[in-house]
Parts: sequence; structure tokens; C-alpha cells
Amino acid sequence: QKEVEQNSGPLSVPEGAIASLNCTYSDRGSQSFFWYRQYSGKSPELIMSIYSNGDKEDGRFTAQLNKASQYVSLLIRDSQPSDSATYLCAVTPFPNFGNEKLTFGTGTRLTIIP
Amino acid sequence: NAGVMQNPRHLVRRRGQEARLRCSPMKGHSHVYWYRQLPEEGLKFMVYLQKENIIDESGMPKERFSAEFPKEGPSILRIQQVVRGDSAAYFCASSPGDRDRGLHEQYFGPGTRLTVT
Repeated sequence: QKEVEQNSGPLSVPEGAIASLNCTYSDRGSQSFFWYRQYSGKSPELIMSIYSNGDKEDGRFTAQLNKASQYVSLLIRDSQPSDSATYLCAVTPFPNFGNEKLTFGTGTRLTIIP
Repeated sequence: NAGVMQNPRHLVRRRGQEARLRCSPMKGHSHVYWYRQLPEEGLKFMVYLQKENIIDESGMPKERFSAEFPKEGPSILRIQQVVRGDSAAYFCASSPGDRDRGLHEQYFGPGTRLTVT
């Protein structure tokens, strides 16, 4: 079983709609969860972090965490063509003793259709 | 506030040569992580360093690869006797490392794309 799993896509969403990206993880004790956006040929860009169960909103982005189900998701509202990218889910191990090395999923490729 | 800096951005080496990749963390960040992204694969952790200390090198191949983060200057990832399979994008990320204040998010540099011919 992969430690962090994501649907590789591609996921196509019409402009203006909600894009929903999902991620599951295997380490039940993981405490920290991150979503990164990576454009082709570029480096990962942090867009959301979440540490507690529930929802966390930042602009058009909402991260949702359910530790009991070992599930984290990212919603992008009012999707724009500039949101077309690969979205990476990342998780820190437990226990980590201050070592926050990230385990990444393989990413979901999102395409916003104008 | 300058972001994470990496150089060179592109590096071409012949098989058997050495590659040196440099990373300067964001101002105020004392934790450096190196990751490798092979073509069409995900990002993989290699090594975690603090100033003058290697904390975790569990993701780094045991041979030919080494890393350091000296008291002064950038962190360096060194690959000796490169082979074609080392061709990849190497990313450095830095973090303030203050988990108690929630300041442990990692910010990535632009990466070094290594091509071994």
C-alpha cells in the first residue's frame, strides 16, 4: 500500500466550477498535511496546510481533513484556467521528533476547461 | 523576503563527473530538506539537515551521494561519479523549524535540473 495515494487524473473541470481533489494516507498518526501546486517544469508551491480535523478556507481554496478516515481533500472554487496544474498531497510522518520530512503522493493533474 | 535559492538551475554532467548542487534557505530558516523528482515520478525525500548537522539521510543513496549544511554558506548536495539514472530535478526546501508556533511549513526553491549525458 502506498503511503500517500492520489488519483493521477487527469481531472477536467469547466471554468467557474468546483474542482475536488482527494488524498488518502496510510500512517494513522500523521499530524500535518499539505497541498502543493506544481506547474509543469516548475517547483512545488505551498497553497494550503491543515493540522486539525475539519475545514480550513483560504480564498478560493478549502482543505478538508478527516483523520479517522485518513483522508484529506482540496476544493478549488470558481476554477480558473490558471489553476491548471498538478496538485500534490504531502504528509509528515509520526512520530517525527521534529523531523518534518514530507511524503508526497504522485499528484493529480487538473485541467480547467475555458 | 527572498525565497529559497538554488543554483545552478540547470546542470549538465558527463557520466563519471561530479555534480554539486547548492541551496540557500529563506532568511530565518534553519532547516533544509532535499527532494528528488525523477521524470514522471513523484517527489522523494532525500535528506534533512540543520546547520552543521545531518538529521535524517534515510532517503539518500548510500553511495556517491552526500550532503552538508555548514555553519556559513549554502547547503550542498554532492553527487560523485554521476550516472544516467541520476538525471532528475533536485529540489531544496526550507522551514523555520519552530513547530510550537506552527512554523514548520516547507517552501521550495526553483530546483536544479541535472542531466547526465
